[in-house]
Amino acid sequence: EDQVTQSPEALRLQEGESSSLNCSYTVSGLRGLFWYRQDPGKGPEFLFTLYSAGEEKEKERLKATLTKKESFLHITAPKPEDSATYLCAVPYTGGGNKLTFGTGTQLKVEL
Amino acid sequence: EAQVTQNPRYLITVTGKKLTVTCSQNMNHEYMSWYRQDPGLGLRQIYYSMNVEVTDKGDVPEGYKVSRKEKRNFPLILESPSPNQTSLYFCASKFQSSYNEQFFGPGTRLTVL
Repeated sequence: EDQVTQSPEALRLQEGESSSLNCSYTVSGLRGLFWYRQDPGKGPEFLFTLYSAGEEKEKERLKATLTKKESFLHITAPKPEDSATYLCAVPYTGGGNKLTFGTGTQLKVEL
Repeated sequence: EAQVTQNPRYLITVTGKKLTVTCSQNMNHEYMSWYRQDPGLGLRQIYYSMNVEVTDKGDVPEGYKVSRKEKRNFPLILESPSPNQTSLYFCASKFQSSYNEQFFGPGTRLTVL
């Protein structure tokens, strides 16, 4: 069974304090890994797709990396507007285009 | 603007009163899906549709119905809502390939009393 586990559940940072969020997964054949950002009461917003181990993607202060067992979302010098819940997801190996989501990391960046 | 829209955004209803949540996308996506999001459980798929007239169950389909008569619309129907269906619901769409990201609607917060 596909499993996606994110850690930590919650993270509080000071502005400018860099850190990383973890997404570990267990799937029988990885066909990509997605990162989303979700603001309270809103729909998830797509950030990155990573296709294979070793791949990296960057967007502003965010950098996503992928290994064969996990993905990291590195946040460099975060700002308060980076506060959100970050979700990772993998395509379900049983097909049907379903995404299996982790439960997310709730990030709060304080001044 | 490319988007997924949902209506209503907020709904409070009573047990047993049939309701429909609409979902529409303007990106010509073949694939559409409904998720519910509950604290501690994350996003779970309810139903999905690979194309017009093609629908299938997700992880938690009990108590829900869907239809896909047009490519752009994918309504979620609760024939007899119960309190355990109180949740935040999201519609999503994408192009068919599994490598394409899903675009999510703004969400519908449903409370069943």
